[in-house]
Amino acid sequence: NAGVTQTPKFQVLKTGQSMTLQCAQDMNHEYMSWYRQDPGMGLRLIHYSVGAGITDQGEVPNGYNVSRSTTEDFPLRLLSAAPSQTSVYFCASRPSDRASEAFFGQGTRLTVV
Amino acid sequence: AQSVAQPEDQVNVAEGNPLTVKCTYSVSGNPYLFWYVQYPNRGLQFLLKYITGDNLVKGSYGFEAEFNKSQTSFHLKKPSALVSDSALYFCAPFSGGYNKLIFGAGTRLAVHP
Repeated sequence: NAGVTQTPKFQVLKTGQSMTLQCAQDMNHEYMSWYRQDPGMGLRLIHYSVGAGITDQGEVPNGYNVSRSTTEDFPLRLLSAAPSQTSVYFCASRPSDRASEAFFGQGTRLTVV
Repeated sequence: AQSVAQPEDQVNVAEGNPLTVKCTYSVSGNPYLFWYVQYPNRGLQFLLKYITGDNLVKGSYGFEAEFNKSQTSFHLKKPSALVSDSALYFCAPFSGGYNKLIFGAGTRLAVHP
């Protein structure tokens, strides 16, 4: 059981480049989300999805797009990378039952130069 | 407003001593409360949760947490700290109204031999 898998683990981008961070889960969880982690700021929610075909914005959505075509996959797209998007990105999934814990991927460390 | 506060950026404790990591929250309705731990270069792992019932909940690795409704607190505790407990700890209440976990900034626990 792989849980939540994120790829790549590390990435360096130049300002203005675009890329997609991949996230896949094999637990048939309805709810998936993307967070970014910055020093002293904890985890901030970027986008989330409550099921296939449904996405919504979190606290810091600007500069990012998501889609949810399948239950398993929830990719995060950076449209035009900026140095302010240098961060560690985490994908998480959980069942729709709000009493259930979330499962996190190992993270993607992104540097924009 | 939905929020969570972890007032200490870092907690230092000697191995074998008890530890407490503090958390207070502000969410509407009856809260579902979670603690997660993050070891270096890893994703977040679930530790324990309070849903209902006994105010003292027990979780992984000997950790426990005490829910106090009147003080809106959910402090994490362990009777005897280990060096291997050194990590970043996040308190995360679940906001039913917004259908999402709210993360604090995290508290770094340093256990010294």
